[in-house]
Amino acid sequence: SQTIHQWPATLVQPVGSPLSLECTVEGTSNPNLYWYRQAAGRGLQLLFYSVGIGQISSEVPQNLSASRPQDRQFILSSKKLLLSDSGFYLCAWSTGFGETQYFGPGTRLLVL
Amino acid sequence: GDSVTQMEGPVTLSEEAFLTINCTYTATGYPSLFWYVQYPGEGLQLLLKATKADDKGSNKGFEATYRKETTSFHLEKGSVQVSDSAVYFCALSPIQGAQKLVFGQGTRLTINP
Repeated sequence: SQTIHQWPATLVQPVGSPLSLECTVEGTSNPNLYWYRQAAGRGLQLLFYSVGIGQISSEVPQNLSASRPQDRQFILSSKKLLLSDSGFYLCAWSTGFGETQYFGPGTRLLVL
Repeated sequence: GDSVTQMEGPVTLSEEAFLTINCTYTATGYPSLFWYVQYPGEGLQLLLKATKADDKGSNKGFEATYRKETTSFHLEKGSVQVSDSAVYFCALSPIQGAQKLVFGQGTRLTINP
């Protein structure tokens, strides 16, 4: 069966520090991968998606970036965090567009 | 553009009460519709889905029917339990732009014993 992992589970970072969140998927090949952010008390916003290694599409311009160095690895990064980057970051995968998306456990980020 | 509107929360019920969480959508064509559930401190889990009009999704006692005529996908459960306390998200996968899910704002449900 397929599983999706995210780490760290919780992160507290100062403003201006770098960020690296990692997501890996097991049990499937060539998945579509997604990064979402859930701000406090709000719904989810798609940040990035990827259909293959090295292929990244951005939905919302901001100071975050994403990379996909391996088929089942998706990384969310920032060079300098802002207070507004605080939130709950969720990674998801699917077999294709329009198919069910399956979410990881999430990373809670607090920028102080 | 495509959008999802959920009933505002929070919703508080007693155990064994009947639950309805309203969800309506605006979309081009016939999107797929989903309900996701987020338990405290966890990520989202798919609860149920429907891919075409009149389809009924069901899981764990929850049901939702894809109503094209009213553009709705209301979530129902006949008898809720304390363990159902969570945040529930309605979502759609649009025909155009299917790379993303469009989520409602979520409805927090609390069930008291």
